[in-house]
This record gives sequence, C-alpha cells and structure tokens, in this order.
Amino acid sequence: QSALTQPPSASGSPGQSVTISCTGTSSDVGGSDFVSWYQQHPGKAPKLMIYEVTKRPSGVPDRFSGSKSGNTASLTVSGLQAEDEADYYCSSYAGSKERVFGGGTKLTVL
Amino acid sequence: EVLLVESGGGLVQPGGSLRLSCAASGFAFSDYWMSWVRQAPGKGLEWVANIKQDGSATFYVDSVRGRFTISRDNAQSSLFLQMNSLGAEDTAVYYCARDSTAATTSHWGQGTLVTVSS
Repeated sequence: QSALTQPPSASGSPGQSVTISCTGTSSDVGGSDFVSWYQQHPGKAPKLMIYEVTKRPSGVPDRFSGSKSGNTASLTVSGLQAEDEADYYCSSYAGSKERVFGGGTKLTVL
Repeated sequence: EVLLVESGGGLVQPGGSLRLSCAASGFAFSDYWMSWVRQAPGKGLEWVANIKQDGSATFYVDSVRGRFTISRDNAQSSLFLQMNSLGAEDTAVYYCARDSTAATTSHWGQGTLVTVSS
C-alpha cells in the first residue's frame, strides 16, 4: 500500500495549462481503470474532479481533464484560473478492495 | 442533497479509544460502499477503511488493521469507526466518504479532528 508519487508543487499563469503527474505501479495505476483526482482548498474537504481516469462529474469545468499512460496518470488544467489554486490528489484502486492516494501537489496560479 | 456529518472526534491519550460516527442523508445509504479517509495535519490523504453496502465485507489499510473497526447501521443511515490502541500517528482529520465506483469518493463529510496526545 505505497503512496502514489506526485510532484510536490506545480504552477502556471492565468490562462495557461498545467499538468500534474501521478506515478504508481502495475498493481495500481497501471492495472486499474479506477484512477481519480481530488481538489482540496485549505481547510475544506476534498472534491472529486476526475474519476475512472478520464470522466468528469457534473459541475466540474471541462478545463479539467484526465489521462493515463502505463503506470502514470495525469491531470491537466487548461485555462488556469485563480480559483484553481489548491492541493490536488490522485487516487487509484490497488486491488483487494484497497486504494492508495498520491502525496498531493500544491498548484499555484502565478 | 447528499450530506455526511461526522462526530466523535476529540483529544484522547495514547493507547486510548474513540468511536467516530457519520450521519448520512440525502441518498439511499444502503446502496453505497462507504469509507473513512484521514488527513494528518499538513499531510496528504490516506484511505483508512471501507465497508460494503450490507456490511458483509470490510477492508483496512495495513497501519490500522486489527486496531480499527468500520461498521454501519443501514436502518439509521450511519457509519462508524471504532478506533482502539490509538497512537500519535493516528492524529488526523477523519473524513466520512461515500464511494461511487471502486476507490472513488463522490461525496465527503466536513471531517472530524482526532488528536492523540498526553
């Protein structure tokens, strides 16, 4: 049950695109269709942004997109806005009904 | 509207016990897997445990297995986490979570803080 690897920080200017990576193994990210991403503002509960690698819940802007290649999943935020500044966490099913999270990435909008 | 409200957090001494509760409303509680996810101060999210719709199956992260017990009361739309033999490493905000698909949380409570300290 090792945590997935995310970069501790990422940044971009308003209007730009930024991509956050999430690296696991063939036992979790690489072998799972159940990779999700969460946004968390300070002092708030997380919010689901992407599920099943590429799907967006209703109400999440289409500026947020997900993808996966091999053991690495990615979250791309296009057209960065000030309100996108937050911590982002990836999560993956890891077999045997267990799940793992990434260590989190702090996204700064410059 | 889906609502998850945790309670039961607080200050407990090392080696002590605590029982967290989560009151669910706004959805058919018995239709969903439920989870507890925690977040230590200034740290990332950590999945703790989950439970099947009818309570017949439960799963835990290695660090709490044998010390924590997740349970549910579908008649009362409530989720519980019994925590025993608590240590400083268990200090965290504990979130009640409704799962949608596997390893995916669609709704979160506001969290309850558990502090283990003498």
